[in-house]
Amino acid sequence: NAGVTQTPKFQVLKTGQSMTLQCAQDMNHNSMYWYRQDPGMGLRLIYYSASEGTTDKGEVPNGYNVSRLNKREFSLRLESAAPSQTSVYFCASRRTGKFYEQYFGPGTRLTVT
Amino acid sequence: SQELEQSPQSLIVQEGKNLTINCTSSKTLYGLYWYKQKYGEGLIFLMMLQKGGEEKSHEKITAKLDEKKQQSSLHITASQPSHAGIYLCGADMTETSGSRLTFGEGTQLTVNP
Repeated sequence: NAGVTQTPKFQVLKTGQSMTLQCAQDMNHNSMYWYRQDPGMGLRLIYYSASEGTTDKGEVPNGYNVSRLNKREFSLRLESAAPSQTSVYFCASRRTGKFYEQYFGPGTRLTVT
Repeated sequence: SQELEQSPQSLIVQEGKNLTINCTSSKTLYGLYWYKQKYGEGLIFLMMLQKGGEEKSHEKITAKLDEKKQQSSLHITASQPSHAGIYLCGADMTETSGSRLTFGEGTQLTVNP
């Protein structure tokens, strides 16, 4: 099992450019998440998908869109990147039900100049 | 304000010393998850606590959830350089089997040899 995989690992964008971060999991989990991690702010939820076909906003959804392509894949799109979106992005997945941990991908380090 | 407060924000200890990290909420925690993150990497799940008064140990790391289920502590005995990293607590803040976790800001641990 690869677990949760993310691509790319690093990316540099210019302000205004767009890009899609890819995430896939092979654990047959229903729920998937996108977080951003900034110094001193912990993990903040951007969007999540409780099941295939559904997506919901988290704490910081502005400037992002998501697509739950199928049960395995959950992508995060930045339509017009801004310097404030410089961050480390983590994808995670979780089995449905109580008391199951989230499994995290290795992260994508994004810099917007 | 953060729903989950972690303290301290950072900690520097000498190898061999014991240390404690706290995670506090003003609300009942229905599941409390401890993760460790090494710089530049994803989060690794350590332990999950669900019952008031519960305590779990893995190697030299012990986590407890208080009786009121509003605070958890992570205790490391005889710290080693391999314990260095960022420790994050995450929690189910609702009783229903919702899929969202709320995370604290993290505690940066440095262990000097």
